[in-house]
Formats: sequence, structure tokens, C-alpha cells
Amino acid sequence: GESVGLHLPTLSVQEGDNSIINCAYSNSASDYFIWYKQESGKGPQFIIDIRSNMDKRQGQRVTVLLNKTVKHLSLQIAATQPGDSAVYFCAENYNQGGKLIFGQGTELSVKP
Amino acid sequence: KAGVTQTPRYLIKTRGQQVTLSCSPISGHRSVSWYQQTPGQGLQFLFEYFSETQRNKGNFPGRFSGRQFSNSRSEMNVSTLELGDSALYLCASSQDSSGGEQFFGPGTRLTVL
Repeated sequence: GESVGLHLPTLSVQEGDNSIINCAYSNSASDYFIWYKQESGKGPQFIIDIRSNMDKRQGQRVTVLLNKTVKHLSLQIAATQPGDSAVYFCAENYNQGGKLIFGQGTELSVKP
Repeated sequence: KAGVTQTPRYLIKTRGQQVTLSCSPISGHRSVSWYQQTPGQGLQFLFEYFSETQRNKGNFPGRFSGRQFSNSRSEMNVSTLELGDSALYLCASSQDSSGGEQFFGPGTRLTVL
């Protein structure tokens, strides 16, 4: 396979704080990136996406930043809530239709 | 609008058997992609179907196959099951095959004994 899924990094934050989840992607030719949230027992849920012609995109309480120079993607969650606790995956697509390459994931734990 | 549905949700098989999993995409979506998720390897792309044609294929052995029907529903088949095939199999649908937003189903949890 092409994804790296070994040790899952964890991020623990206090409720109300801001969270930043980072991701290094693999292909400099990738032109589309997505962040997914996966809760236990469920499939990944779309959070936000960004195309390579942008470096920032904002949604409701979430912001994605793209740094193509260092192939880095980050997801910022404002005012983190207990319901945000989940595993977060970044995914990249490089002109291959529906083929997404996923990062290893980060487990976010929100303490009340 | 109903989301992506997958059946069955849970499945237990023994080594050497074969299995067929089903995926119904969101109405109007024509592209269906399949992924395997395991704790050790994470989420890995299996294949994508669009308009009944396989568009992309991941690095999996030939025991893994799939197809798509004219109504965009898709099935994947795994023959001669191995213990290592135990995983969560996820299906995702999107409107077309241009690399846009994909919506995932809840997955089928396959256990091979």
C-alpha cells in the first residue's frame, strides 16, 4: 500500500482551546487536499478541502493552511469541543480521479 | 439526501473463503472508490469505478476485485481470504471522477478467522 499507518500521534487539548493538527503530504504534484474526521465505528467525515492554488481556506470553526514549499498541511479547530474528539486524517489527490492518499491520522482528545 | 450505504456492516469469514461487499453511493454520484483501513497500514486505496469502468487501481493483489453497475452501485470481491484481509472496508462516492469531494459510508468490518 501507499499510506503510512504506523504509530498514531495524539493531541490532547482542553475544551475551549484551539487545536492545530499537522500533516506532511507526499507528492509535490498533488493539487487537492481534504481533511477528514473519523469517529469510532464510523466512516471518515468530510471537514474541509483546499486546492493547490490557495494557501488558506476557512470553514465553520475550522481553517486549513497549505504550504506547498514544504509540502505541509494543517487543520486549525477553534474553540475545540468534546464532540471534536476523533481521529483526523489528511488526504491528497494528484490528478488521479478518485484516488486519495491518506496520511497516518492524528487522534484528538478533548478534555472537558 | 441519503448518504453512502454499505452492506453488510459486519462479516465473519474463514481463510480460503470469498466475500462480496456492497456499496450504494449518494444519489447522482457516479464515482465509487474503495479503501481498506487497518491499524497497521491505515487507509489504503483499493480501486475506483466510474460509469461502470475501473479508473484507478491501488497496490493490492488480484484477489481483490470490484465492479460497478449501471445504477452506480458497486461491489467489491475478495477471493481466497487471508487473515491479513481482516479490516474495515470503506466505500466513498463523488459526483464524478475529477478528484473532488468524496463522501464515505460507514464501512464493512470484515473479520477473517
